Amino acid sequence: EADIYQTPRYLVIGTGKKITLECSQTMGHDKMYWYQQDPGMELHLIHYSYGVNSTEKGDLSSESTVSRIRTEHFPLTLESARPSHTSQYLCASSPDRFYGYTFGSGTRLTVV
Amino acid sequence: KQEVTQIPAALSVPEGENLVLNCSFTDSAIYNLQWFRQDPGKGLTSLLLIQSSQREQTSGRLNASLDKSSGRSTLYIAASQPGDSATYLCAVNDNAGNMLTFGGGTRLMVKP
Repeated sequence: EADIYQTPRYLVIGTGKKITLECSQTMGHDKMYWYQQDPGMELHLIHYSYGVNSTEKGDLSSESTVSRIRTEHFPLTLESARPSHTSQYLCASSPDRFYGYTFGSGTRLTVV
Repeated sequence: KQEVTQIPAALSVPEGENLVLNCSFTDSAIYNLQWFRQDPGKGLTSLLLIQSSQREQTSGRLNASLDKSSGRSTLYIAASQPGDSATYLCAVNDNAGNMLTFGGGTRLMVKP
């Protein structure tokens, strides 16, 4: 069983709303990641963190922001959601790349 | 920039067949390679992790091989079952960075 949790599992919201997608892991991993995946498309890295107070943007430009105040939490926030943000968002963590990566179940976001 | 390609993009086979999924990458300077399974609308489940110094890894009916010099990995599934139906993703972790580059996946359907 994966020890990385994402909430909510599904979310439908109106344009202009502020939302936060939660990601938590109980494994004490320093490294955490957010990937975006459009239906039938590849995963693209949008944010990552190597530890508390460390955040970086990934390869795919995103209007979302992240924070890492605690090791176990890596929330992603959209200040003003738009239909173009409709996608699946996947969170992952790793203690070190030697051990590979563990993914959460994802949040499927629909902005109407 | 690392590019990962998976062939075929989709595959439909009758139950019981042995099958091979292919993954190729353009930069052979990899740290390790990880195979994942993704069910529709769900997160990623790690199947096998191969370090750059390894040639293969096995888990049950799954066997993954790695030929780093030629930039290729294969995932072999023995005696396929309908429950194996899913999308299989190959992801490469480069020496230079600490993040994954994903292929587009192979959508597998195993018919009873």
